[in-house]
Amino acid sequence: DAGVIQSPRHEVTEMGQEVTLRCKPISGHDYLFWYRQTMMRGLELLIYFNNNVPIDDSGMPEDRFSAKMPNASFSTLKIQPSEPRDSAVYFCASRGQGISGYEQFFGPGTRLTVL
Amino acid sequence: QQQVKQSPQSLIVQKGGIPIINCAYENTAFDYFPWYQQFPGKGPALLIAIRPDVSEKKEGRFTISFNKSAKQFSLHIMDSQPGDSATYFCAASSGSNYQLIWGAGTKLIIKP
Repeated sequence: DAGVIQSPRHEVTEMGQEVTLRCKPISGHDYLFWYRQTMMRGLELLIYFNNNVPIDDSGMPEDRFSAKMPNASFSTLKIQPSEPRDSAVYFCASRGQGISGYEQFFGPGTRLTVL
Repeated sequence: QQQVKQSPQSLIVQKGGIPIINCAYENTAFDYFPWYQQFPGKGPALLIAIRPDVSEKKEGRFTISFNKSAKQFSLHIMDSQPGDSATYFCAASSGSNYQLIWGAGTKLIIKP
């Protein structure tokens, strides 16, 4: 298995632009999580999905952030308009049932820089 | 109630030493306590996990010690190596909530 796939790996954009981050979870996993990591705030859960349905989006910082999961193999996190304080590494993680239990498998992350 | 408090924030240990990272929690409903390891430029990856029905779990050089009455758990790394230099996160979860509640992370440096 290729693991969780995220794209792009790096994104540099200017303030006010729309940013879309993409994630492909591990096949068969039914939970998908979006995290943001910064030096100041550590690892923050933004939103998570179960069977493509958003369950808890209380971590989404503002209405500028939105996430979708149109099917079991694809999710997006969109920031519109982007601001410099959104600069961070964004991780997608997935987990399934069975032997792996509660383990979350993380993607390599997208490093976002908003100028 | 939902927090997991992790210490220290950073730790420097000589090769062969035993770094210890501590975490404390308040929510007695937590029933799963994993440790994740993150190398620079990578996502966190599960290192070892424990459930509260045991007081200790070992996997290779990594050991979790769990104290249910004190609501604390810790990670010990035996015979530490420079390759163990990474950021370590503790976390907790309960059966009713699939979210992991994360500690703030500990940046560990093992000096050669």
